[in-house]
Amino acid sequence: DVLMTQTPVSLPVSLGGQVSISCRSSQSLVHSDGNTYLHWYLQKPGQSPQLLIYRVSNRFSGVPDRFSGSGSGTDFTLKISRVEPEDLGVYYCLQSTHFPLTFGSGTKLEIK
Amino acid sequence: QVQLKESGPGLVQPSQTLSLTCTVSGFSLTSNSVHWVRQPPGKGLEWVGAIWSGGSTDYNSALKSRLSISRDTSKSQVFLKMNSLQTEDTAIYFCTRGIGLCWGQGVMVTVSS
Repeated sequence: DVLMTQTPVSLPVSLGGQVSISCRSSQSLVHSDGNTYLHWYLQKPGQSPQLLIYRVSNRFSGVPDRFSGSGSGTDFTLKISRVEPEDLGVYYCLQSTHFPLTFGSGTKLEIK
Repeated sequence: QVQLKESGPGLVQPSQTLSLTCTVSGFSLTSNSVHWVRQPPGKGLEWVGAIWSGGSTDYNSALKSRLSISRDTSKSQVFLKMNSLQTEDTAIYFCTRGIGLCWGQGVMVTVSS
């Protein structure tokens, strides 16, 4: 199985600040079709997760442009700029290039 | 409006079989995949398995021997069956459209005698 290593585990931030979350995979996430199936989710307290970014850098419908994804191969980053209170929660990466699908262990974004 | 709703027993005895239903609306099962994801209390997300638009399935390799996912397209329902349940299977079970395009509210399943 592909191991997804997500860092940091906890990320204190000041409102209005900028943060980055790293997700590294144990093998390349480039699919034989040429696409890279790495996605990002946010789980707010007491809620179901919600999709933020799909296929590395594509913002899902309704996701503000403060969220951006980048990376390639085995190394990926989610950046959040101008952090707002509604951004707090746990962020997960997911790879769906290889079966079984595997999630990162999560990064908790909290107020400094 | 796309919606998914999980249902099933909240409590299952160890070694018994778990049966969950995901009832969807606003999209067709013959055009979309449905995935199951679970989350033990206070822990992270784990992909359980999926049923694809054509009806084929894929499972988490650690659960494959105990797991079955099926569907009834006429009722817009997807079913999860997992046997030989252990306390480690205690979790919130979510169903999602595709790779998490839309999630259900989840159903808490506790494995305990």
